[in-house]
Amino acid sequence: SQQGEEDPQALSIQEGENATMNCSYKTSINNLQWYRQNSGRGLVHLILIRSNEREKHSGRLRVTLDTSKKSSSLLITASRAADTASYFCATEAAGNKLTFGGGTRVLVKP
Amino acid sequence: SQTIHQWPATLVQPVGSPLSLECTVEGTSNPNLYWYRQAAGRGLQLLFYSVGIGQISSEVPQNLSASRPQDRQFILSSKKLLLSDSGFYLCAWSVGGAGLYEQYFGPGTRLTVT
Repeated sequence: SQQGEEDPQALSIQEGENATMNCSYKTSINNLQWYRQNSGRGLVHLILIRSNEREKHSGRLRVTLDTSKKSSSLLITASRAADTASYFCATEAAGNKLTFGGGTRVLVKP
Repeated sequence: SQTIHQWPATLVQPVGSPLSLECTVEGTSNPNLYWYRQAAGRGLQLLFYSVGIGQISSEVPQNLSASRPQDRQFILSSKKLLLSDSGFYLCAWSVGGAGLYEQYFGPGTRLTVT
């Protein structure tokens, strides 16, 4: 079963706008990670946030984590056409295993 | 630097034929290794993971098996493919030991069973 569920499933924005996607999960976690996947390719790790962290930044990415609500959000600021991809959250609860959500497909229109 | 290789990139196989997908990692020792399957437009399903040579954990009972004959080699196999085995197969590695590490993915193999 999937631990993380992303919302929305798809997102279409104009270049320069911000993109926000959310992830909800069901059980306690050690950390939550976000990955990007370009069409037909492998996944690329974006950012990892630990369960005792609330916010983390990396370049144009901002991730928040609310363990009381079992949810996380990924914000991409000033989006570019190259940000077009699917974005997945993944939770690590125990034992080096990640459980992935269904992903959010982001289309950034030039 | 570390790299991960997967081959082949694409594969078309008839139902009932055997399967062997290989994944190798370079530039690291004793990695954790993972096999995932991704259905079209969906998330990743963990199939197998390994924390060491000969140590395989299966997450989902199915028609597939995995082996780790060497430290940095992970093989996904099937004796007889089913139509439902079609999908995008991804291999990944992470630093060995306790959690809190990101995973690094290979380019994937797209398998079509006809």
